[in-house]
Amino acid sequence: DAGITQSPRHKVTETGTPVTLRCHQTENHRYMYWYRQDPGHGLRLIHYSYGVKDTDKGEVSDGYSVSRSKTEDFLLTLESATSSQTSVYFCAIREGRSGSYEQYFGPGTRLTVT
Amino acid sequence: ILNVEQSPQSLHVQEGDSTNFTCSFPSSNFYALHWYRWETAKSPEALFVMTLNGDEKKKGRISATLNTKEGYSYLYIKGSQPEDSATYLCAFLRNTDKLIFGTGTRLQVFP
Repeated sequence: DAGITQSPRHKVTETGTPVTLRCHQTENHRYMYWYRQDPGHGLRLIHYSYGVKDTDKGEVSDGYSVSRSKTEDFLLTLESATSSQTSVYFCAIREGRSGSYEQYFGPGTRLTVT
Repeated sequence: ILNVEQSPQSLHVQEGDSTNFTCSFPSSNFYALHWYRWETAKSPEALFVMTLNGDEKKKGRISATLNTKEGYSYLYIKGSQPEDSATYLCAFLRNTDKLIFGTGTRLQVFP
């Protein structure tokens, strides 16, 4: 257990509304990631962070923004939700201390955009 | 764009059967290859991290091999059990920042 929580766990929202998902970790890991999971696509990286205020885009970043003002929190915002953003969103941290760079995942947030 | 490909996409086997799946990845700029196990309604969990050509890792009935020169890894499950039913993801680490995931092999083991 890498001490990762996500909130909310489930959300239904309407097209055009902004939505923010939160990822919280308790073990001071430097790297945090946001993925989305869709059938036939596996896990795709949206954005990641390598430190407070340091973020970079992943392969499917359009329509998403992130912020990291504290080590423990990484926020994912859908600026204007669309139906194509209906998905399960996973947050992850990277274990770097052992050199393995394994990622540990949060429990996921199921987002439905109607 | 880096592609990580897994085959087959899905597999149905009987309890007791042994099975294996393949992960193909770019052979250049290799750092590590990860295998994750992902049960339905849960989060992916790391199985193996492999870094050296010829690496072999084992955890119980599950083992994996790595060939970095030709860009493939095999995951083997000996004597499959219903609790092995899951999606098995491989992920390629080209530098230490980002993993590129394959789409997974979905294994279903019938009693």
